[in-house]
Amino acid sequence: DAGVIQSPRHEVTEMGQEVTLRCKPISGHNSLFWYRQTMMRGLELLIYFNNNVPIDDSGMPEDRFSAKMPNASFSTLKIQPSEPRDSAVYFCASLRDSPYEQYFGPGTRLTVT
Amino acid sequence: AQTVTQSQPEMSVQEAETVTLSCTYDTSESNYYLFWYKQPPSRQMILVIRQEAYKQQNATENRFSVNFQKAAKSFSLKISDSQLGDTAMYFCAFMKLNFGNEKLTFGTGTRLTIIP
Repeated sequence: DAGVIQSPRHEVTEMGQEVTLRCKPISGHNSLFWYRQTMMRGLELLIYFNNNVPIDDSGMPEDRFSAKMPNASFSTLKIQPSEPRDSAVYFCASLRDSPYEQYFGPGTRLTVT
Repeated sequence: AQTVTQSQPEMSVQEAETVTLSCTYDTSESNYYLFWYKQPPSRQMILVIRQEAYKQQNATENRFSVNFQKAAKSFSLKISDSQLGDTAMYFCAFMKLNFGNEKLTFGTGTRLTIIP
């Protein structure tokens, strides 16, 4: 199994540009999570899906952030327009049922200048 | 809401020694899971060990073991024969079982340094 796949691994963009982060969860996992990690705020849960349906997006910081999961094998997190304070490492993770175990992707390091 | 507390922001230990990282949690649930994750300098989040609350036996994975005290709501991680590669941030996490609405609540982490 290839694990959770994220792309790109690094992204550098200018303020005001649109950024799209991509995630492919582990096959058979029913839940998918997007996290953001910074030194100041630690690890934050942004949004999660179960069976492709968004369950809780209360962690999404503002309307500039949006996430979709059009099918069981793909999800995107979009930031439009991006701002320097969005600079962080963004993780995608998927959750296996019974026994429950959550696996993280390698993360996308986003830098907004 | 559940909370997870890791009271040791930083720890260091000599190589080959044993170290214990503390974690406490607050919940009114009876059916849940607990996890320890390791985040080395590479930033990858790696699942170290899992404990189901209904199991009385403490989980073990090679040099890693837990001391799960359900009544005390305590879940500590013991690393035996510590190695340089164990240097990392360690996060404790809680998950209640909720019929498709499962999510993890993380502690703030403990930075562990193994000294050669």
